[in-house]
Amino acid sequence: KAGVTQTPRYLIKTRGQQVTLSCSPISGHRSVSWYQQTPGQGLQFLFEYFSETQRNKGNFPGRFSGRQFSNSRSEMNVSTLELGDSALYLCASSYSAGANVLTFGAGSRLTVL
Amino acid sequence: AQSVTQPDIHITVSEGASLELRCNYSYGATPYLFWYVQSPGQGLQLLLKYFSGDTLVQGIKGFEAEFKRSQSSFNLRKPSVHWSDAAEYFCAVASPSWGKLQFGAGTQVVVTP
Repeated sequence: KAGVTQTPRYLIKTRGQQVTLSCSPISGHRSVSWYQQTPGQGLQFLFEYFSETQRNKGNFPGRFSGRQFSNSRSEMNVSTLELGDSALYLCASSYSAGANVLTFGAGSRLTVL
Repeated sequence: AQSVTQPDIHITVSEGASLELRCNYSYGATPYLFWYVQSPGQGLQLLLKYFSGDTLVQGIKGFEAEFKRSQSSFNLRKPSVHWSDAAEYFCAVASPSWGKLQFGAGTQVVVTP
């Protein structure tokens, strides 16, 4: 079956712009989590959604937001981009909420100029 | 607060030699424990997990890990390394109830001929 699909894979934005990243989970998976990966901070948890509800949120400013649709697809949005938002954004899905086995997508590489 | 420490940032190993990656965690109870691997430009792939039971866990690609409660460790091992094992390895912990993984900083493994 298809894995976790993230789009776009690469994108370049300028400071002050906003960006929306998309994640399609594995079919049947209802939980989607997002992580930010940077060389300096490593892998950091952004948020987790289950059945269209945000269950958990990491320590990120309000510029970072997300949502989940009824088909379990998820989007995350970053507004007023800063240089420090340059990162690999990873989406992961699992069948249920909580600490389960996560299957990660290949990520969306965001570069902010 | 829970935390994960991977003491080795970088390890170089000869092909065919054994490999051990260290992971120590700080958590109030026994967490769920994971090892993930990331190849360049890719997302994270789960190697193995520990939830409970037998403290020696077998994973994919010939990897195994041992949970030692007394040492708060979950070290990853492979008896004979292949060139394709060159990648970055991440240890992660999670509370059983929350879908948030706390990752270590990662260990970069280089395999020499």
